[in-house]
Amino acid sequence: NAGVTQTPKFRILKIGQSMTLQCTQDMNHNYMYWYRQDPGMGLKLIYYSVGAGITDKGEVPNGYNVSRSTTEDFPLRLELAAPSQTSVYFCASSYAGGAGETQYFGPGTRLLVL
Amino acid sequence: GENVEQHPSTLSVQEGDSAVIKCTYSDSASNYFPWYKQELGKRPQLIIDIRSNVGEKKDQRIAVTLNKTAKHFSLHITETQPEDSAVYFCAAPAGGNQFYFGTGTSLTVIP
Repeated sequence: NAGVTQTPKFRILKIGQSMTLQCTQDMNHNYMYWYRQDPGMGLKLIYYSVGAGITDKGEVPNGYNVSRSTTEDFPLRLELAAPSQTSVYFCASSYAGGAGETQYFGPGTRLLVL
Repeated sequence: GENVEQHPSTLSVQEGDSAVIKCTYSDSASNYFPWYKQELGKRPQLIIDIRSNVGEKKDQRIAVTLNKTAKHFSLHITETQPEDSAVYFCAAPAGGNQFYFGTGTSLTVIP
């Protein structure tokens, strides 16, 4: 299994541009998450999904959108990129949600907005 | 909602010494507490976790203790080695399917 994969690894965006961060998992996990990690900070949840067709907001959803059309894929869309969105983005997945379920993280996408 | 605080933010220890990182949480209903290790430029990976029905869990040189009354849990690393140098994050459930993460502890093990 490849586990959780993310593309691209690194991207530079200009203010106002848009892009989609891709996330795919091959572990047949129901739950998928998007986090952002700012320097010296912990992980903040942006959006999550409990299954295909179902998404919900996390702690910091503003400026982002997600979709979950398949079990495997959970893309994160940035519209009108802003410098405040400069961060490292991690996708994660787990078989189920809540207590006791290990989250497996992807390698991350480093985004710089100038 | 849940609030997770983690201390210290940085920690330096001599190789062979022990390291302790502490997290406090606010929601008394929280029942599961994982610890993640993140090496420089890498993804976070689960290293140990504990449920609220036990007070301590060990895995070789790593242990986690939980004090439900005081609402804090700690990561203990004994006989530290240079490869333990990393950033460590605690987390606690934030209702339903979410977790709140601590701000991380950067551990440096000095050879």
